[in-house]
Amino acid sequence: DAGVIQSPRHEVTEMGQEVTLRCKPISGHDYLFWYRQTMMRGLELLIYFNNNVPIDDSGMPEDRFSAKMPNASFSTLKIQPSEPRDSAVYFCASSTRRGVSGNTIYFGEGSWLTVV
Amino acid sequence: TQLLEQSPQFLSIQEGENLTVYCNSSSVFSSLQWYRQEPGEGPVLLVTVVTGGEVKKLKRLTFQFGDARKDSSLHITAAQPGDTGLYLCAGGAGNNRKLIWGLGTSLAVNP
Repeated sequence: DAGVIQSPRHEVTEMGQEVTLRCKPISGHDYLFWYRQTMMRGLELLIYFNNNVPIDDSGMPEDRFSAKMPNASFSTLKIQPSEPRDSAVYFCASSTRRGVSGNTIYFGEGSWLTVV
Repeated sequence: TQLLEQSPQFLSIQEGENLTVYCNSSSVFSSLQWYRQEPGEGPVLLVTVVTGGEVKKLKRLTFQFGDARKDSSLHITAAQPGDTGLYLCAGGAGNNRKLIWGLGTSLAVNP
């Protein structure tokens, strides 16, 4: 079975440009998570969806970040305009539950973003 | 704010050695998960512990959840180069729908 699929794997963009990251969760999973990972702050939950509905977006750093899940098999994370401090690895993950108390979260391979 | 502190931050050992890494908090968690992340990949779940004092074994890896459910440890026996990676712990709380993540222990096992 295919795991969580993310694209692009790597992106280098100039400050001010729009960045769109894409994710296809595992079929049948009803929770989708967007995480950001940096050396300094580790893994940070940005937003998560349940049945395509955003449940908690309190981790989204600011209005420049937005996420959508138009259907059960696709989600996007958009940064507009991008800034150098947004450089990080962005992970999409999916789960059949909230991801706690024994339920497994499956991560994609990540999208490595560099904003110059 | 709930925090999970992992120690040591970095660890470099020789193949065959034993090691223990720690995950500590002042908060109580209903569950604690351990993940391993290899370079260029996403984290992969190794184990979940939910009961205070629980011990789980996964081949050469032994995981323990503290009696008070505030801390956890991971012990690796006879480490191998394939154990190299970033070990992350993540805690879940009853009414909190988010996992709290530690910063990880970066382990290098040299042949």
